[in-house]
Amino acid sequence: NAGVTQTPKFQVLKTGQSMTLQCAQDMNHNSMYWYRQDPGMGLRLIYYSASEGTTDKGEVPNGYNVSRLNKREFSLRLESAAPSQTSVYFCASTGTADSYEQYFGPGTRLTVT
Amino acid sequence: GESVGLHLPTLSVQEGDNSIINCAYSNSASDYFIWYKQESGKGPQFIIDIRSNMDKRQGQRVTVLLNKTVKHLSLQIAATQPGDSAVYYCAENVNNNAGNMLTFGGGTRLMVKP
Repeated sequence: NAGVTQTPKFQVLKTGQSMTLQCAQDMNHNSMYWYRQDPGMGLRLIYYSASEGTTDKGEVPNGYNVSRLNKREFSLRLESAAPSQTSVYFCASTGTADSYEQYFGPGTRLTVT
Repeated sequence: GESVGLHLPTLSVQEGDNSIINCAYSNSASDYFIWYKQESGKGPQFIIDIRSNMDKRQGQRVTVLLNKTVKHLSLQIAATQPGDSAVYYCAENVNNNAGNMLTFGGGTRLMVKP
């Protein structure tokens, strides 16, 4: 099991460019999440998908869109990148009946210049 | 809004000593709490969890205590080792109509001195 994988690991964008961050999990989890982590701060929820076919806004959704492509994959899109979106982005998933533990990917470090 | 927070942003301990990391939460509807460890350049890693119907749970070298009266959570690490150096986050779970969501605190950096 690879767990939660994210691509790319690093990305530099110019202001106004667009890109999609990819996330996949092989644990057959129902729920998937996207967080951002700014330097010296905790994680803030951008969007989540409680199950295949549903997505909902989190704490900081502005400037982002998501797609739950299938049960395995949950992508995050920046339509017009801004310097304020410079951050580390983490994808996570959960799906066991006994625990709300979220399993995290290794992160994507995004810089917008 | 309601949030999870931490009292101490940085904790420095001597190798071999016990560490205690504290966390305050304000959402009385939270039913589940998790402690995560994050090492530099990596994603958060699960340490231990506790449900709201418990007040203590032990793992290997770690203990989580939950005091619902004062809405306080703590993580105790016994015989702290250099490998324990990391940022620790508490998170609380709330089940809303759209599913389960974790809200993370701001983090405490643990530094272990050899």
